[in-house]
Amino acid sequence: AQTVTQSQPEMSVQEAETVTLSCTYDTSESDYYLFWYKQPPSRQMILVIRQEAYKQQNATENRFSVNFQKAAKSFSLKISDSQLGDAAMYFCALETSGSRLTFGEGTQLTVNP
Amino acid sequence: SQTIHQWPATLVQPVGSPLSLECTVEGTSNPNLYWYRQAAGRGLQLLFYSVGIGQISSEVPQNLSASRPQDRQFILSSKKLLLSDSGFYLCAWRPPGSNQPQHFGDGTRLSIL
Repeated sequence: AQTVTQSQPEMSVQEAETVTLSCTYDTSESDYYLFWYKQPPSRQMILVIRQEAYKQQNATENRFSVNFQKAAKSFSLKISDSQLGDAAMYFCALETSGSRLTFGEGTQLTVNP
Repeated sequence: SQTIHQWPATLVQPVGSPLSLECTVEGTSNPNLYWYRQAAGRGLQLLFYSVGIGQISSEVPQNLSASRPQDRQFILSSKKLLLSDSGFYLCAWRPPGSNQPQHFGDGTRLSIL
């Protein structure tokens, strides 16, 4: 069975600052994908970033980057130059064979002006 | 381009009434389709997924069922709703046989009275 743990129910950051959201996971499979999704108050699930487990290079999408530590089964999200529009619930998710996504419980991010 | 539609956006139903939520995808063929439920302030839980017409896999035994009567149509149903069925229901799709991320609909907020 796969598990995803987000140990920070809430985080806050000042506008223009950097924040890191933590995620750890557990799986016995060697081939998998990791994702960060953003859910704003509108409740849409928006893909932020994706990491293939076989790639050692950390994924980056503009102001969003990850720190993928495969041995430690850690997958943190760094948001640089935080903007008010970044305020949302952030979910870490793990996908293994069979296309099953396992989500963490989420981290509510507040961005203070 | 591909789009996913879910309806209704909001639904209030009495306990014991039936349920039918619909999800359709446009612009693709034979997508993998998924139904998730999100309890308030929690992560997403996979309920059902389908890789083709009439092929449904259930992840969690419950009061709900799913059907795929057409290639791009996925329906979530219940004969008798329970209070515990309240939540936010999300449909998602991805191209068949791919490792592309899942794309989510806008969701249905279901309240059981």
